[in-house]
Amino acid sequence: EVQLVESGGGLVQPGGSLKLSCAASGFTFSGSAMHWVRQASGKGLEWVGRIRSKANNYATEYAASVKGRFTISRDDSKNTAYLQMSSLKTEDTAVYYCTRLGFSSGLGYWGQGILVTVSS
Amino acid sequence: EIVLTQSPGTLSLSPGERATLSCRASQSVSSDYLAWFQQKPGQAPRLVMYGASTRATGIPDRFSGSGSGTDFTLTISSLEPEDYAMYYCQRYGSSPYTFGQGTKLEIK
Repeated sequence: EVQLVESGGGLVQPGGSLKLSCAASGFTFSGSAMHWVRQASGKGLEWVGRIRSKANNYATEYAASVKGRFTISRDDSKNTAYLQMSSLKTEDTAVYYCTRLGFSSGLGYWGQGILVTVSS
Repeated sequence: EIVLTQSPGTLSLSPGERATLSCRASQSVSSDYLAWFQQKPGQAPRLVMYGASTRATGIPDRFSGSGSGTDFTLTISSLEPEDYAMYYCQRYGSSPYTFGQGTKLEIK
């Protein structure tokens, strides 16, 4: 059974930092590009960024809204992806999903999402 | 940055009717790298279509995708109760992987 389980969310003050984890199982994590997507309450989906596989040099890309503040990494030995968020703003408040979008295979996997609230 | 505009914002149809959802890009989407997602309340999105016209695994054949360049369409030939949801298009292949703002498909 495929699972993506996010953890590390919660309440953080503006300007603060938080690191999300995404533990994967049931598929070949090491060969998969992993993305983070967020969704503010009642709003649409926003792509945050992605990290490619070792074969693609772990290349990362980010949305303009988070570039320079967020960092995506991965540990293939632990089948885990990470989203390090710093200099957080109130507008970063959202449910954050990790996902293997699945465009090369038609098999897309998503976590259940985790809430990050940035508020004083 | 390519902007995706979905229309209509809300589509109200009865079960058994045909649904046509549109996604228009501000610039040509290369190699038809256009996907569609379905999202129900309280759930994560689910991949429905990729490569503009290829159904994702497990998606019934009443769903079809078409289009190229800047105009794409997701069609549901005969609506079932489980099809009512939000639908988002997304372009991929190069950063940023922009989403459209979504179309809400609701029961009439």
